[in-house]
Amino acid sequence: AQSVTQPDIHITVSEGASLELRCNYSYGATPYLFWYVQSPGQGLQLLLKYFSGDTLVQGIKGFEAEFKRSQSSFNLRKPSVHWSDAAEYFCAVGGPIQGAQKLVFGQGTRLTINP
Amino acid sequence: NAGVTQTPKFRVLKTGQSMTLLCAQDMNHEYMYWYRQDPGMGLRLIHYSVGEGTTAKGEVPDGYNVSRLKKQNFLLGLESAAPSQTSVYFCASSYPGGLGEQFFGPGTRLTVL
Repeated sequence: AQSVTQPDIHITVSEGASLELRCNYSYGATPYLFWYVQSPGQGLQLLLKYFSGDTLVQGIKGFEAEFKRSQSSFNLRKPSVHWSDAAEYFCAVGGPIQGAQKLVFGQGTRLTINP
Repeated sequence: NAGVTQTPKFRVLKTGQSMTLLCAQDMNHEYMYWYRQDPGMGLRLIHYSVGEGTTAKGEVPDGYNVSRLKKQNFLLGLESAAPSQTSVYFCASSYPGGLGEQFFGPGTRLTVL
């Protein structure tokens, strides 16, 4: 069965500092991996996705993520965070479910930015 | 395009009351999903649909029913609301060949007293 673990429930970084959010997945085949961001009171917005090919993927808002098959990880990074990056971040793994496409989400990591 | 929209945005129910949440998408997507989001648990799949007239159970289907009478709409019903159903509900849609990418609505915050 697919599963996703985000080890950090809450992270606080200073504005301008670098950021790495961890994500570990469990999936038998080649995974489809996603990072979504949820601003307070909003829905989920796709940051980036990995299907195949280059293991370093670029997303919106200056985010990137690296797929490491040997570590079953898909960590999200940003070189310099902005106050507007404060939000909750969800990692998800996708796979087939009876004709549709299922997403299994991690528990989420809440990011706080110190000025 | 409006994308995925949800009605209502907020609702407060008393235990035992019923209600229906409406999800609409204008992207002509085949697949639609209902999730609930609870603190510390991420999003969990309630029900999903692979096309008009078809529905299936997800991870946490108990206490909910769904219908997909039109391709663009996916309804989530609570027949007899319970406090355990207090949550934020998200609808999403996707298309064949999208490799799992889902498009989400803004959510409905439901409180059951």
